[in-house]
Parts: sequence; C-alpha cells; structure tokens
Amino acid sequence: DVKVTQSSRYLVKRTGEKVFLECVQDMDHENMFWYRQDPGLGLRLIYFSYDVKMKEKGDIPEGYSVSREKKERFSLILESASTNQTSMYLCASRGISYNEQFFGPGTRLTVL
Amino acid sequence: GQQVMQIPQYQHVQEGEDFTTYCNSSTTLSNIQWYKQRPGGHPVFLIQLVKSGEVKKQKRLTFQFGEAKKNSSLHITATQTTDVGTYFCAALNQAGTALIFGKGTTLSVSS
Repeated sequence: DVKVTQSSRYLVKRTGEKVFLECVQDMDHENMFWYRQDPGLGLRLIYFSYDVKMKEKGDIPEGYSVSREKKERFSLILESASTNQTSMYLCASRGISYNEQFFGPGTRLTVL
Repeated sequence: GQQVMQIPQYQHVQEGEDFTTYCNSSTTLSNIQWYKQRPGGHPVFLIQLVKSGEVKKQKRLTFQFGEAKKNSSLHITATQTTDVGTYFCAALNQAGTALIFGKGTTLSVSS
C-alpha cells in the first residue's frame, strides 16, 4: 500500500521565516510533486522532481525552492515566508510506469 | 501554459438526483484522470481514460473521454451523501512529466 507522509498537518509561521515542508514516500517512486491548493484555484503545481537531485519548475515556483537528496524524500522550502503563501500544501508521488499520483495528507500552512 | 477547464465549480443536488462534471482542453490529451477529494481529505485517484471515446463505469460513476480526446465527463447516477466532495480532472502536461489539474467541481448533497 503506497504511503505518502508529510511532516506536519498544521504549521504556523511568521512573515520572513524560512519554512521547510517535508514529504516522504515509501514506494520507491521516481517522481515527486508539490502542489498548493487554494479555494477556487484548485491544485497548482509548484515544483516536481523526476530523480534524485533533479528538479523542474511547475506553474507557480516563485518564492519556493525544493530539495531532493534522497529518492524517498522531497522537501519544499519557503526562503522567506509571506502571508500570500498561506495555503494547503500537498505532496504527491508517482512511479515511472504508472500515471496515478498518490497524495499525502497535506500541510495547512498559515503565515502571520 | 496548458490548462484544463472544469465546470461547474459548485453543484448542489438532492440525494437521488444525478450529477455531472465536465472537463475541457484546447489541446488533444494523451489521457485524462479523475480524482476525488473528500472534505478535509486529500485527492484520491478514481480512474484513468486513455482511448478516444472510452467509457468506463465504477458502480454509479460513469466516466467518458471524448472522441477528439479534448474533453471528458464524470456522471454520478442517484447521488448519495457519501458522494460529497470535490472532483478533479487531470491531464499530463505536454512534456508528459506532470499532471495539470482542473479547478475541481465541489458537490454537496442534501438528504
């Protein structure tokens, strides 16, 4: 059973803080993704990675960076958090042979 | 960038009524996927359609992929309160590397 876990369900940070969101998958998937979900805007792709140390920008990468040092772990970094980054962040993974994506439970980040 | 348009944004029905959500793209899609997100939950994969004109059923849910592979629909027959949630369609981007999601249709059902 595929499992994608995220480090926190809820997180509250202050403007200007550096924020790390961690995601771990246990199915040896090559591809990992970070989305943010906002009411009325659906799921928007921030960054994705198709291999260790590889990363690709999605549709809204500004203000974010990522790190993938190990295959099972994909981190999203907010270098200097801003209030407009308050959102639900969803991590997902996908194997190379399947198109189905498996999502983590999400992290609801509030930036004050 | 590539977009997948989904309508309606919201739909409220009485239990037992039918429900349909539609997904459209200006470009030909290699495939289309559907996901369901329950309130407070995360998106969960329902199905993938690949062939032109394909129709698949899962109990009361019927999924269709258009002949031109530019549109898709999800139809729920006789909705139940357990159908409540947001339904997303998604398609691979042109590079085939990532899924692009529609904005979703949120279904509410009153008994």
